[in-house]
Amino acid sequence: QSVLTQPPSVSAAPGQKVTISCSGSSSNIGNNYVSWYQQLPGTAPKLLIYENHQRPSGIPDQFSGSKSDTSATLDITGLQTGDDADYYCGTWDSSLSSWVFGGGTKLTVL
Amino acid sequence: QLQLQESGPGLVKPSETLSLTCTVSGGSIRSSSYYWGWIRQPPGKGLEWIGSIYYSGSTYYNPSLKSRVTISVDTSKNQFSLKLSSLTAADTAVYYCARLPGLGPAKYMDVWGKGATVTVSS
Repeated sequence: QSVLTQPPSVSAAPGQKVTISCSGSSSNIGNNYVSWYQQLPGTAPKLLIYENHQRPSGIPDQFSGSKSDTSATLDITGLQTGDDADYYCGTWDSSLSSWVFGGGTKLTVL
Repeated sequence: QLQLQESGPGLVKPSETLSLTCTVSGGSIRSSSYYWGWIRQPPGKGLEWIGSIYYSGSTYYNPSLKSRVTISVDTSKNQFSLKLSSLTAADTAVYYCARLPGLGPAKYMDVWGKGATVTVSS
């Protein structure tokens, strides 16, 4: 059971928008930055969002992140079939003294 | 640009110790701005942080693995390494090395290696 809770799967049609949630507590999301990762099938994870809402160079504004209290959200707009992937949130947990990941969300673009 | 490459045996026996090395190219592991870490992913499952190290040797470990993990750094070779002891089948996973910007044990992972598949089996 992951410390951070994500929906196991989400789906949407091409061109639509999808939201992936990441729920935690005051010891993790509530007091630390959240980052998001995209893992395409058979590849290493790739950083999408850091420090709650910052995008690394080269990541399109199709991807956006936000945080409120003990939850974080990744929004993906203008969905394409190439966005089919697993998405993970992550943050530091001050009580556990450990980095924690969410269980991952599989996005299917129908 | 910065690249990370994991290397090590793909098959290890139960009860033995896994040793993996991450070679950093296109940048220096001695940078004062980064930690370096290991993350693993069992087949069909999610990501698990193993631990992080600074070039000075300062380390942080996942408490659930701490008794079995040692992460070290060799600045002369621009490498850092993972040792995981007392292996069981549950340690079968893809092991990734990554760069972690910022000071402190982990803020985020911005560059990842391609991963090394490790199977624990007799």
